[in-house]
Amino acid sequence: DAKTTQPNSMESNEEEPVHLPCNHSTISGTDYIHWYRQLPSQGPEYVIHGLTSNVNNRMASLAIAEDRKSSTLILHRATLRDAAVYYCILRDDNQGGKLIFGQGTELSVKP
Amino acid sequence: ETGVTQTPRHLVMGMTNKKSLKCEQHLGHNAMYWYKQSAKKPLELMFVYSLEERVENNSVPSRFSPECPNSSHLFLHLHTLQPEDSALYLCASSQTVFWGEQYFGPGTRLTVT
Repeated sequence: DAKTTQPNSMESNEEEPVHLPCNHSTISGTDYIHWYRQLPSQGPEYVIHGLTSNVNNRMASLAIAEDRKSSTLILHRATLRDAAVYYCILRDDNQGGKLIFGQGTELSVKP
Repeated sequence: ETGVTQTPRHLVMGMTNKKSLKCEQHLGHNAMYWYKQSAKKPLELMFVYSLEERVENNSVPSRFSPECPNSSHLFLHLHTLQPEDSALYLCASSQTVFWGEQYFGPGTRLTVT
C-alpha cells in the first residue's frame, strides 16, 4: 500500500482557515485519497475523499495536486470542535481494500 | 439508537478474567471490523467480518476471540489478557467489506491490571 506523510501536529486559530497537508509521492493511478478524523474520546469519522478533482462537502474541501503526489484538506473556518487527529489514507477504491491509518496530524484550535 | 454503538465504554479486568466487548450497528451494513488503538500508535486492524463470515484475521493472539452472530452484532471475547493489551478497541462497519466509508463506534477503553 502506498504511504502517506503528514505533519505530527498543527495549530490553528478559531474561525480561521486550516490547510492540512498530506504527501503521497508513491500514489498509484487507482488510489483514492481518503481523510478521516478522530475527535477526543471518539472513534474516527469520515471527512472526505477524492481521486483527481478537488472535492467539497459540508465538512471540508480536498485539494489534490495535479500530479496527485500531495493533497490538502481545507477546513474553511476552524472551530474548537475541529480539534482532532486528521488521517490521510490511500485506498484503491476500484478493487477495495483496508483503511491503513498512520499517525495523522493532531490539530489544535485556539480560541 | 443510530450508527455504531459499543459497550461497555470502559472496562478494567485482571489478567485471569474473561470478558466480552459488544458492538452493534444500526446502519444495515454487511461488514464489521475490530480495530485496536494503543497509546501513541496507529489503529491496527484485528478482524473483519462480511455477512457473519470472518474474512480477515491479522495475526491476532488467540486470547482475543471474535464472534459475529449476525450482520448487526459483533463481539470480542477476551481471556487471559496481558497488560500490553490495554488499549482502545474500536468497532466499525461498512456497507460492503473493504468498500466505501467506514463508520466507527466510540470504542471501549480497556485496562488490563
